[in-house]
Amino acid sequence: DSGVTQTPKHLITATGQRVTLRCSPRSGDLSVYWYQQSLDQGLQFLIQYYNGEERAKGNILERFSAQQFPDLHSELNLSSLELGDSALYFCASSVGQGWPGELFFGEGSRLTVL
Amino acid sequence: AQTVTQSQPEMSVQEAETVTLSCTYDTSENNYYLFWYKQPPSRQMILVIRQEAYKQQNATENRFSVNFQKAAKSFSLKISDSQLGDTAMYFCAFMAPNTGNQFYFGTGTSLTVIP
Repeated sequence: DSGVTQTPKHLITATGQRVTLRCSPRSGDLSVYWYQQSLDQGLQFLIQYYNGEERAKGNILERFSAQQFPDLHSELNLSSLELGDSALYFCASSVGQGWPGELFFGEGSRLTVL
Repeated sequence: AQTVTQSQPEMSVQEAETVTLSCTYDTSENNYYLFWYKQPPSRQMILVIRQEAYKQQNATENRFSVNFQKAAKSFSLKISDSQLGDTAMYFCAFMAPNTGNQFYFGTGTSLTVIP
């Protein structure tokens, strides 16, 4: 158990819909990262937050948005969903600065868009 | 910019044999960390081993060890006595504190352990 909690674990929805993925980081971790992994693909970095502030942005679509709340949990909002958005979405957390710098991953939220 | 390259998309190894997965990276940073993550069929991302760049000694975790060549910017993973449970996708990753603790991942190597 990494200590990172993601909900829901599985989600099936239709094209055009909007979903929210939730992540609770490991206790004490200030940084939250979101990654997208499509079938048989590598990890695509979406966005990183540190202590409530956006720190870095990757290949995140304009239809996607995220935020980190004062209690440090984070939400990833996906709207106007398309078939191609079907993927495993990982949240990961780290201390945020210094060592240990490793990423702790949640189990992922598997999104299926029909 | 930081980049991580894994040039072996797929590899296989006989059970109980040894296999080495390659990873190279490019950075101008001097202080950084390197990681190998394993993703089994369950899709869970699991940290296998980590290495601090300032440490010359190669990290070891049981059957897993790394060959860290800082000058060559190479960070290979050696798996000894391969087991069926080692079948997974392996990702090499790099992080430098000066880049805002961003993590850079390679494209992965799919390892199959053959009984």
